Amino acid sequence: EADIYQTPRYLVIGTGKKITLECSQTMGHDKMYWYQQDPGMELHLIHYSYGVNSTEKGDLSSESTVSRIRTEHFPLTLESARPSHTSQYLCASKEGDSPYQETQYFGPGTRLLVL
Amino acid sequence: KQEVTQIPAALSVPEGENLVLNCSFTDSAIYNLQWFRQDPGKGLTSLLLIQSSQREQTSGRLNASLDKSSGRSTLYIAASQPGDSATYLCAVTNSNSGYALNFGKGTSLLVTP
Repeated sequence: EADIYQTPRYLVIGTGKKITLECSQTMGHDKMYWYQQDPGMELHLIHYSYGVNSTEKGDLSSESTVSRIRTEHFPLTLESARPSHTSQYLCASKEGDSPYQETQYFGPGTRLLVL
Repeated sequence: KQEVTQIPAALSVPEGENLVLNCSFTDSAIYNLQWFRQDPGKGLTSLLLIQSSQREQTSGRLNASLDKSSGRSTLYIAASQPGDSATYLCAVTNSNSGYALNFGKGTSLLVTP
């Protein structure tokens, strides 16, 4: 059983607020990812990290930022939330260096609604 | 850019039926293909992972096949049950973006009692 946690699970906020979505894993995985999923649509990669002090932008352009100060923690921040940021945000982590045989473990997601 | 397509988008079957979900991808240079299950309000659960050198994987009532050269995979579910109702996602791993997953939109499955 994978141990990856996301908080909050649901968030309703007003436009212009700064928010941070938390993601933590206790498995010691180096690689971590943030995906964004709109209803009925596929997940899109918005950020990833190879390890501590490593952050990269994903395929989908996003106004959010991430940090990786500790192995187990990969928070995502929106400096000024807008209605267009309304979506589900899923965090994932992956063990090891082999891309062939290792799956990603996903957190339960954060559903964000910006009014 | 990798494109992953899943057919059908939605499927409703009576309990006990066998069913097949389809997935296709445009770039055959993949490391693996995975099938996930997504339940409403929850994250993704990995069902099966097929490495690029493999042809199929089985877990219980689930069997997934991979034809890398033609860019296709199928997920076979035997003797479906109402508890199988969920969205099934197909995803492939390429070499870009830290070995992140490229997902299809999913197949929404409803198994009726």
